Amino acid sequence: GNSVTQMEGPVTLSEEAFLTINCTYTATGYPSLFWYVQYPGEGLQLLLKATKADDKGSNKGFEATYRKETTSFHLEKGSVQVSDSAVYFCALSPPDSGYSTLTFGKGTMLLVSP
Amino acid sequence: GAVVSQHPSWVICKSGTSVKIECRSLDFQATTMFWYRQFPKKSLMLMATSNEGSKATYEQGVEKDKFLINHASLTLSTLTVTSAHPEDSSFYICSARYGQGVNQPQHFGDGTRLSIL
Repeated sequence: GNSVTQMEGPVTLSEEAFLTINCTYTATGYPSLFWYVQYPGEGLQLLLKATKADDKGSNKGFEATYRKETTSFHLEKGSVQVSDSAVYFCALSPPDSGYSTLTFGKGTMLLVSP
Repeated sequence: GAVVSQHPSWVICKSGTSVKIECRSLDFQATTMFWYRQFPKKSLMLMATSNEGSKATYEQGVEKDKFLINHASLTLSTLTVTSAHPEDSSFYICSARYGQGVNQPQHFGDGTRLSIL
């Protein structure tokens, strides 16, 4: 079956540090890949997505590249801010299902200190 | 645009009571709504998918008589936790999408924290 594996958190960084959150997946074919962000006490917001191999999704300074050869979709940001503190979820959707079926990783908490 | 509102955001109730959670799409017609459950430090688990005017499709292991889902209109879906017990305490999140195209994204509500005493 489909699955998503994320690095365990929390990830603790100082403001302006470089961020990487690892995500690998298991799926048949070419799934769509997503990063969602959840701020404390809130639901999920779509951060970025990529729908085919070598695509790079980007938003708000975050970016992730769809790597088919390593089945990875690592999230990166060059300079984090305190306001980036949240839980980040990597997710996939099987081919041809659009966004109907989402399989989420366990989430990685990011804590950014001033 | 594409705002999904959940109500209430937090509810505390006694064991044995039933609790209803509402999920509304405020500025679009939601042809499909999804209900998820999130345990502490765990990922979201899909409970059920509902299409307007038809019965919800429940994921394996989810008790349909325990978690009643109604999607009576294109802007409202409700989840009722019947005879709730402490093990039902969790964070419940709904999402909604519009249109029939497969590439329409899900838009998530802010979630409802349910605590059963």
